[in-house]
This record gives sequence, structure tokens and C-alpha cells, in this order.
Amino acid sequence: NAGVTQTPKFQVLKTGQSMTLQCAQDMNHEYMSWYRQDPGMGLRLIHYSVGAGITDQGEVPNGYNVSRSTTEDFPLRLLSAAPSQTSVYFCASRGTGGGNEKLFFGSGTQLSVL
Amino acid sequence: DQQVKQNSPSLSVQEGRISILNCDYTNSMFDYFLWYKKYPAEGPTFLISISSIKDKNEDGRFTVFLNKSAKHLSLHIVPSQPGDSAVYFCAASGRGGSNYKLTFGKGTLLTVNP
Repeated sequence: NAGVTQTPKFQVLKTGQSMTLQCAQDMNHEYMSWYRQDPGMGLRLIHYSVGAGITDQGEVPNGYNVSRSTTEDFPLRLLSAAPSQTSVYFCASRGTGGGNEKLFFGSGTQLSVL
Repeated sequence: DQQVKQNSPSLSVQEGRISILNCDYTNSMFDYFLWYKKYPAEGPTFLISISSIKDKNEDGRFTVFLNKSAKHLSLHIVPSQPGDSAVYFCAASGRGGSNYKLTFGKGTLLTVNP
């Protein structure tokens, strides 16, 4: 019963490097999203998707790209990492029918940008 | 502009006593509210929710109260246990269209002392 799977768990980057954070879910959820958690800031929405081929920006989208080619996967790309992107990143998914408001979260990726 | 506010960054209670965590919101379009619990190095997990058509929802030791006129909700934990020590996030969403986003507060760190 995997749920939402994120890889890697930890990553250290140098400023300017690029990388992709992977997220996969096996619950056939249409809605997927990425959040970042910073001390004193709570969980802030980066990007989200309501289905394959459909993505939109959240509260803090700058510096991040996403795509949704399948229902299962929703990768988050950092094209040129900056120290301000040091954070813990969470992927989350949910169904879109009535009563499906509960988000399921992955275990997170801790990213440090030096 | 913060739409979901948790004004207490931390709360400390004795084991067996009641814990009350508070949350205020400003967006009158929110009509579904959730509480999430987060342990260190783990993703947030769903705890309890309430729809705007209700003013109370109970699940075991956890009860959520909603006061729509005051745009305020609270989570009561009775009796509190040391295992309840975690960060608690309040979240809110609207309904209709593709409004599936959850907006989170900054969280409250609950410490339950033995």
C-alpha cells in the first residue's frame, strides 16, 4: 500500500545546478500538488495539477517547473537551484469527487542548496 | 495575505489534560476545514475534518469545532497523550469548479508532558 512516494529523501545541490524531485501515487488521484515547508512559514503551495496535461501555479511558483504526463506522476523541476530553495518539499494527492478533500502526503524531500 | 492563521506557534500541556489548538480564516469562500498532524521527518497525516454545514465533528479523543460567524475553528484533544506531541496544521479549501487547493496555516507545535 504505497500511497504517495517521493524520491530522493535527501539532496544537496550547488547553486545553479538543476534537479528533479520525483513524486508518484498509486491511488488514481486526479489532483496532485507540491508544497514546501519552511520554519515559521507552514506549508506553501508551489504548483498543482487537476489531471494529466493540466498544471497551474500555487502561492510560490517561481524557480520551479512541473508537468503531468500521466495520472500517477508529478515531478517538480528546479532549473537553476538557489539557496532560497533550501526547504523540505512535500508532494500530495487527493481525489476530486465529492467527499475527497483529504490530501495524502508523501514523506518529503529535504533539499539543501549551497 | 495569510488566509489561514494559527496564531500560537507552540502549546505545552500536561498528559491527561485538554489541548486546544486554534485557527482563524479570512476567506469566506472556504467551506471545508481539516487538521493535519506532522511528526519530524515525516509527511503530514490527516487527523480530522469538518464541513461548513456542521459546527462540530468528533473522532475519538479529537473534536473540531467550527464557528462560521467568527471564522474560527478549534481542535480539542482530550485526554492529551505524549504521543500527541507534534506540529498541527489547520487547512481550508473551497468547493466548486476546480478549487481543490488546500491552504494551510503556519502550524502549532504541541508538546504533551508526561
